[in-house]
Amino acid sequence: GENVEQHPSTLSVQEGDSAVIKCTYSDSASNYFPWYKQELGKRPQLIIDIRSNVGEKKDQRIAVTLNKTAKHFSLHITETQPEDSAVYFCAATFKTIFGAGTRLFVKA
Amino acid sequence: GAVVSQHPSRVICKSGTSVKIECRSLDFQATTMFWYRQFPKKSLMLMATSNEGSKATYEQGVEKDKFLINHASLTLSTLTVTSAHPEDSSFYICSARATSGYTDTQYFGPGTRLTVL
Repeated sequence: GENVEQHPSTLSVQEGDSAVIKCTYSDSASNYFPWYKQELGKRPQLIIDIRSNVGEKKDQRIAVTLNKTAKHFSLHITETQPEDSAVYFCAATFKTIFGAGTRLFVKA
Repeated sequence: GAVVSQHPSRVICKSGTSVKIECRSLDFQATTMFWYRQFPKKSLMLMATSNEGSKATYEQGVEKDKFLINHASLTLSTLTVTSAHPEDSSFYICSARATSGYTDTQYFGPGTRLTVL
């Protein structure tokens, strides 16, 4: 089955800096890669997604890149703000297998 | 749009009892719903995939007789934890997939925190 690895597990940045979270997947048939943000005690919220026929997608301060050959994709958050602090999960495939999550701390 | 509700939000039960959790897609039809379990500070672990009108597909290591899933309609799936034990205490989250042309986005319910005494 699909296996998704996510790094780093914890990331601390200064407000205004960029944050990058990376994921790799194992199933070459995977074609859908969403990113979710989960705040403490709340449900995961989709923040951006990308399909395999696209290499990059951007939405304001958030961007996702996909390298199908290497089977990895990354989340980029620019100009980070304290409210970006949360746990971020990458996922892959049709039934959404999640990575282990990255706890992002943005220090004011 | 694309709202998923889950009920109850919290439940405390005695060991040996069964608990039913409902997951509803409120404004869209979901042919597929997923059930996840999340331990504190951990990722979401997929338990099973539920397709309307058919038997659920369970992930390896998940006991289908322990976690009964029913997907009776395009807007409702239920998870029943049978003969619950303290080790079943966890945060259970459902999601529903809205398939519309290009996207296969999953929308999550708010979760149910189960505590088994």
